[in-house]
Amino acid sequence: ETGVTQTPRHLVMGMTNKKSLKCEQHLGHNAMYWYKQSAKKPLELMFVYSLEERVENNSVPSRFSPECPNSSHLFLHLHTLQPEDSALYLCASSQGRESPLHFGNGTRLTVT
Amino acid sequence: GNSVTQMEGPVTLSEEAFLTINCTYTATGYPSLFWYVQYPGEGLQLLLKATKADDKGSNKGFEATYRKETTSFHLEKGSVQVSDSAVYFCALSTGNQFYFGTGTSLTVIP
Repeated sequence: ETGVTQTPRHLVMGMTNKKSLKCEQHLGHNAMYWYKQSAKKPLELMFVYSLEERVENNSVPSRFSPECPNSSHLFLHLHTLQPEDSALYLCASSQGRESPLHFGNGTRLTVT
Repeated sequence: GNSVTQMEGPVTLSEEAFLTINCTYTATGYPSLFWYVQYPGEGLQLLLKATKADDKGSNKGFEATYRKETTSFHLEKGSVQVSDSAVYFCALSTGNQFYFGTGTSLTVIP
């Protein structure tokens, strides 16, 4: 399998649930990203990991918690989310400075 | 700061029409510039890129030229097809940071 794979594709969760999004890249890249895509808004960068260390946080609420156990895997742990957190969450990877991002197909999250 | 502004959509064109989607940017330093395309139900895919002034990126009939004097990176295609219907994003990169526009939805009708 090649590219960037995200699971699950769709997720519906209540405000009190805890869930995790998973991302895996098979490109040998050394940086991984979480983006939030909401209608009519620019992509919002949430987290960046470079060489498995977090280098960018962008003031994301603490109900979103990233984890990057190695250069190929990235998780986004979710707890006590709000309805306004409903969005498409995109994972991406790159080979470092100013290299293009390679995106997964995203997880469509709905918070009820 | 760094930012990207692209034309509001949606854009609707007939097949074989000429396409232009405007993109301008504000950046410190010397960014790389990109166009990404997003088809329904999918993530963003790199369409083309340019890394320095006067570079022209091209792919699948699409072109864009890095214009430093006008801080622009407009996307063009001479003859669009129904299969080009998608959302197009202009982006810039400085180091590990990417900045995206809001996207322009394109619908091509037969």
